[in-house]
Amino acid sequence: NAGVTQTPKFRILKIGQSMTLQCTQDMNHNYMYWYRQDPGMGLKLIYYSVGAGITDKGEVPNGYNVSRSTTEDFPLRLELAAPSQTSVYFCASSANLPTGELFFGEGSRLTVL
Amino acid sequence: DAKTTQPTSMDCAEGRAANLPCNHSTISGNEYVYWYRQIHSQGPQYIIHGLKNNETNEMASLIITEDRKSSTLILPHATLRDTAVYYCIVRSLNRDDKIIFGKGTRLHILP
Repeated sequence: NAGVTQTPKFRILKIGQSMTLQCTQDMNHNYMYWYRQDPGMGLKLIYYSVGAGITDKGEVPNGYNVSRSTTEDFPLRLELAAPSQTSVYFCASSANLPTGELFFGEGSRLTVL
Repeated sequence: DAKTTQPTSMDCAEGRAANLPCNHSTISGNEYVYWYRQIHSQGPQYIIHGLKNNETNEMASLIITEDRKSSTLILPHATLRDTAVYYCIVRSLNRDDKIIFGKGTRLHILP
C-alpha cells in the first residue's frame, strides 16, 4: 500500500501566486486532515473532512480552501500566497474508531517569497 | 485549543525506560487517548492508543489513570532512535472529528 501520498514535496511560490497541494490515500479512509507545521512548532489543523462531500474548518483555515469530491483525494488550495504561509504541510487520513490511528504523508515544504 | 498538556522537554538515558506524562483533565467518556511521535521533520507516526484500560504493543505501553485525567507513555528500553517529539491527543467518537495537536514533549535520549 502507498498509504498517504502528498505532492509536491517542495515548492517555492511568489507572493500572490496560487497553488494546490495534492493528497491522496488508498486505504478507503473516511477521515482526512490537513495540518501545517511552522519551524520548531507543533501541528495546526487547517481543514478536515469526515467523508466525501463534507469539509470543515480547523484552527487556522484563513487563506486556504479544500474540497473532497472523492474518498481518496483531499486537495488543499492556497489562494494569493503570503509569506506567513511558508510552512511544512502534512496531510493525514484515519480509519473510523475504535482503531482510528492517523496515517500521515511525508509532508510538502512550501516557501513563499 | 488542545485538550492535553505535556512537558516541553525531557531527557532519558539510553537503555532506561522513558516515561512521558500527559494531562487530559477535561477528557470526556467517549474520547480516546492517542500517542504519536515525530522524528525530525517526518510525518508523525502512530504509537498507541487506549480508552480506559492500559495497553501495550511492540513499541510502547500506555498507562491511563483510573479517573482518565492523565496518562503515561512508557518506552521500556529507550534507544537513540527514540529521540523525537511525542504528542498526546484525545479523539472523540463524535462525527465532528476535529483532531487538535498540542506542542508535544521533545524527548532527548542521552548516550
